[in-house]
Amino acid sequence: QVQLQESGPGLVKPSQTLSLTCTVSGGSISSGGYYWSWIRQHPGKGLEWIGFIYYSGSTFYNPSLKSRVTISVDTSKNQFSLKLSSVTAADTAVYYCARVRNEFDWCLDYWGQGTLVTVSS
Amino acid sequence: SSELTQDPAVSVALGQTVRITCQGDSLRNYYSSWYQQKPGQAPLLVIYGKNNRPSGIPDRFSGSSSGNTVSLTITGAQAEDEADYYCNSRDSSGNHLVFGGGTKLTVL
Repeated sequence: QVQLQESGPGLVKPSQTLSLTCTVSGGSISSGGYYWSWIRQHPGKGLEWIGFIYYSGSTFYNPSLKSRVTISVDTSKNQFSLKLSSVTAADTAVYYCARVRNEFDWCLDYWGQGTLVTVSS
Repeated sequence: SSELTQDPAVSVALGQTVRITCQGDSLRNYYSSWYQQKPGQAPLLVIYGKNNRPSGIPDRFSGSSSGNTVSLTITGAQAEDEADYYCNSRDSSGNHLVFGGGTKLTVL
């Protein structure tokens, strides 16, 4: 059973960089056939795809966030990470990591529990 | 605005059948998936591909597609099905993932 767990600061100051890590257990990030994704959900709102990465390092980003987002992967630690720069209060959200199946046009079959990140001074 | 459009809210009487829809041009070319999200929980995949259920998802959940519209049908809705439901697929370019805006299902 694949499990994902987000970790990182729950409070980030405006203009700083939000950094989160997702640790994958029960399966290898390097196994292929999957992308590894970040999704966020503003309070009381819907889901917003941030981007995803393949174990080789290939990335796809949401065009609306692309200028501020970097997703990276560390296969030795079975982790992938999110960096979102120049944050504002509008980036306050629950951030989820998830596994994306490359087949079936990208269904997200395993999710982390989510972590709330608040942007405030 | 999302490339996938869902009705914001739908209600169903306990034990009845409800259909939740998702519309978008990209759905003519790509599979979609459906997720159930209960308050305070992460989304849970309930339908993917043509009409596939992950292990553990009750068979009262089913999916279908017609043209630019995909549907999630719950046959014999239960109280525990009350949740938000989201669809997702690729966007029209095929290079980005998109979600529908979500549908809040109320079981009366």
